[in-house]
Amino acid sequence: EAQVTQNPRYLITVTGKKLTVTCSQNMNHEYMSWYRQDPGLGLRQIYYSMNVEVTDKGDVPEGYKVSRKEKRNFPLILESPSPNQTSLYFCASSTRMNTEAFFGQGTRLTVV
Amino acid sequence: AQKVTQAQTEISVVEKEDVTLDCVYETRDTTYYLFWYKQPPSGELVFLIRRNSFDEQNEISGRYSWNFQKSTSSFNFTITASQVVDSAVYFCALSSYNTDKLIFGTGTRLQVFP
Repeated sequence: EAQVTQNPRYLITVTGKKLTVTCSQNMNHEYMSWYRQDPGLGLRQIYYSMNVEVTDKGDVPEGYKVSRKEKRNFPLILESPSPNQTSLYFCASSTRMNTEAFFGQGTRLTVV
Repeated sequence: AQKVTQAQTEISVVEKEDVTLDCVYETRDTTYYLFWYKQPPSGELVFLIRRNSFDEQNEISGRYSWNFQKSTSSFNFTITASQVVDSAVYFCALSSYNTDKLIFGTGTRLQVFP
């Protein structure tokens, strides 16, 4: 089954404790991206990757890191989480940037 | 700069009513792509449609239809004879040939009451 898998689905952590949200796709897609969803703000792109070893900032990259060492995986790293990073996060993949995106189930992150 | 505006924050209708969700976009590029995604209460994001800037034909898929008008920079979405299962947040999104980003609007929450 074609899918994008994110883990964990829910996470509560404390300020400053490094965490990683994993994202994996099985569709051999080149384009992958991370979004955060906040009430009244819609989805905002954090980082994206056009292909392996190619990543770039989206609209809200501060406080986040990503890597794309393999085509299928695109982890989101929060080196020192802060409460303003409490949000719902989505990973997505697509053949190219301008084609249909497949989204993961979302990760609800709470930073206290 | 690219921008997507969904001015309707929330819409409530009664089942079987028709409803139109508005989407206005801004871009300087001549080649661009417009999308609609649905987010039901369960939270996942589901692709509905993709349109490129060179194809202004309206599209109909069952009870769903989309009206793309370049003259007004709009890509509106109409649900005919709405059903309770249509209750969701709907997002309009834009990407262009010259940027690598996908820009979403803030979404419109549609509630369909029985």
